[in-house]
Amino acid sequence: DSGVTQTPKHLITATGQRVTLRCSPRSGDLSVYWYQQSLDQGLQFLIQYYNGEERAKGNILERFSAQQFPDLHSELNLSSLELGDSALYFCASSETSGSYNEQFFGPGTRLTVL
Amino acid sequence: GENVEQHPSTLSVQEGDSAVIKCTYSDSASNYFPWYKQELGKRPQLIIDIRSNVGEKKDQRIAVTLNKTAKHFSLHITETQPEDSAVYFCAQGSGTYKYIFGTGTRLKVLA
Repeated sequence: DSGVTQTPKHLITATGQRVTLRCSPRSGDLSVYWYQQSLDQGLQFLIQYYNGEERAKGNILERFSAQQFPDLHSELNLSSLELGDSALYFCASSETSGSYNEQFFGPGTRLTVL
Repeated sequence: GENVEQHPSTLSVQEGDSAVIKCTYSDSASNYFPWYKQELGKRPQLIIDIRSNVGEKKDQRIAVTLNKTAKHFSLHITETQPEDSAVYFCAQGSGTYKYIFGTGTRLKVLA
């Protein structure tokens, strides 16, 4: 157990819908990262937050947005869902915002868009 | 641009043999190189990492080597066991705030 929690574990929804994925970082970690992993694919970096502020953006679609709240939990919002958005979404956390720290991954949320 | 090339994409070895996975990066400012292991349907977990001021690091059967001049780093697993079967991802700390992950290597250890 990494100490990072994600809810829900599984999510099944229809095209055009909107969903919210939630992540709670390890105690004391200030940075949260979101990744998308499609079937048999690598880890695509979406976005990073540090202490409530956006720090880095990757290949995140305009239909996707995220935020980090004062209690440091983070939410990833996916809207106007398409079949291709079906994937495993991981959240990771680290102590600081630098790219030289270990990132601890949560168990992931498996999103299925029908 | 920033990218990490990882080879091979799949690797099958006999139990007890060694496995080597290589990654090549482009950002010379990178200073941190972790390796993650991901079992089927599970989260990625760090197995070893190396910083740019070190050329090699070992942890039991696992070692990582870094060649900064050539901009590549490699994962070495010796005396492989069936439980080593998984997907392995290299990554580089890109010098900004994020990791750049390699495309992954699916390792199969044949009993």
